[in-house]
Parts: sequence; structure tokens; C-alpha cells
Amino acid sequence: LAKTTQPISMDSYEGQEVNITCSHNNIATNDYITWYQQFPSQGPRFIIQGYKTKVTNEVASLFIPADRKSSTLSLPRVSLSDTAVYYCLFCKAAGNKLTFGGGTRVLVKP
Amino acid sequence: NAGVTQTPKFRVLKTGQSMTLLCAQDMNHEYMYWYRQDPGMGLRLIHYSVGEGTTAKGEVPDGYNVSRLKKQNFLLGLESAAPSQTSVYFCASRGSGAGTEAFFGQGTRLTVV
Repeated sequence: LAKTTQPISMDSYEGQEVNITCSHNNIATNDYITWYQQFPSQGPRFIIQGYKTKVTNEVASLFIPADRKSSTLSLPRVSLSDTAVYYCLFCKAAGNKLTFGGGTRVLVKP
Repeated sequence: NAGVTQTPKFRVLKTGQSMTLLCAQDMNHEYMYWYRQDPGMGLRLIHYSVGEGTTAKGEVPDGYNVSRLKKQNFLLGLESAAPSQTSVYFCASRGSGAGTEAFFGQGTRLTVV
């Protein structure tokens, strides 16, 4: 069964770059790597998704090495409002289960 | 465009009572999901559906039933509520295209006393 492993928590300071690495056990050929952000008392929201190499959007960058056994979410110049839980998970090209792991709790300090 | 709407937002039940949580999406998405989230924990998949008239079990299906009679609605039922089902419940939907993102509702906070 495909599974992700990521750190339980990370602390950072405003203006720093935060990198969260996720290890993927048995990622399948047709799996996309997807990251979600969750603030307290809210549902998760999509941040970024990739298949291989590097993807960048207005919020974050996602780095995926050639073997796809890990991925790194990079949050540039974080602010206090980036304090949240970040989840790494697989998203299959052809739907069905969307399973979350424990996530990484990121605390941004002033 | 409302996205994913969950009803109700809050509910207190007595042990043994039943209730139904409603999830409605207006994005014509094929896939819908129900999760529960306990304090300080990640989301755990209860049941999901890959299309109208279909349902499947997730990681923690016991004590819950679901139905997807219409494509836009996914109902989660608790036949006999237990205190262990006190949690926040999230519904999500996503399209069937390659690597599509999921959209989540705002959650239903359920307390069983």
C-alpha cells in the first residue's frame, strides 16, 4: 500500500524559506504528488501538485527527483499566516482513494 | 459557485441517536469523499464514491453508511451514534481528470454525549 512519511513538525521564522520533505513508499507510475494546507478549523486546501522535476506556482515550489521516491515542498519567505499543517499525498491520475497521512505542523514565529 | 457545502455545521447528539450529514457540490465532480478528523490528528477516510450510485469503504468505515443517489450529493449516516464518533467531519470532491485537486467543505463539528 502506497504510503507517505513526513516530519511531524517544523519551526521557522518570518522571512525564512521552509522546506518539507516527504518520502513516498511504493509510489505508482501513475501517481501524482500533491500537497495540501490546513488551517485550524478549516478544511484542507490544495497548494501544489507535480509528477516529476520541478513545479512552481504563486504559493510554493515542489521538487521531485528522478526516482520520485521523495518530494520537497518549498515555501519561500514564510509569514505568520503560513502557520498550518501541510499534507503530502498521492493523487492517482484515474481517481479513487485520496488518503492523508499525519501531516507536518509548521509553526512560523515572529 | 458555492463549491462544497456541508450541512449542518454543528450538531450535538445523544448516544444511540441517528443523523445524516449532507455534502453538496456544484462542480459536477465525479469523486466525493467523507473524512473524520480528531483533535491534533490527520484526516482519516471513512467512505468515498467514484460516481453516482457507487460507494466504497475507506480506512475507518465502521459505524457509518453512505449514499450517492445524485451526483452532486454525498450523504453520511450514523445509525447509532457513539461518543467515539465525536469528531470534525469533512467532505471533499474532485474531478476525474488526471491529477485533479480536491475541494473541501468547511466541516461539521459533531459531539456525541
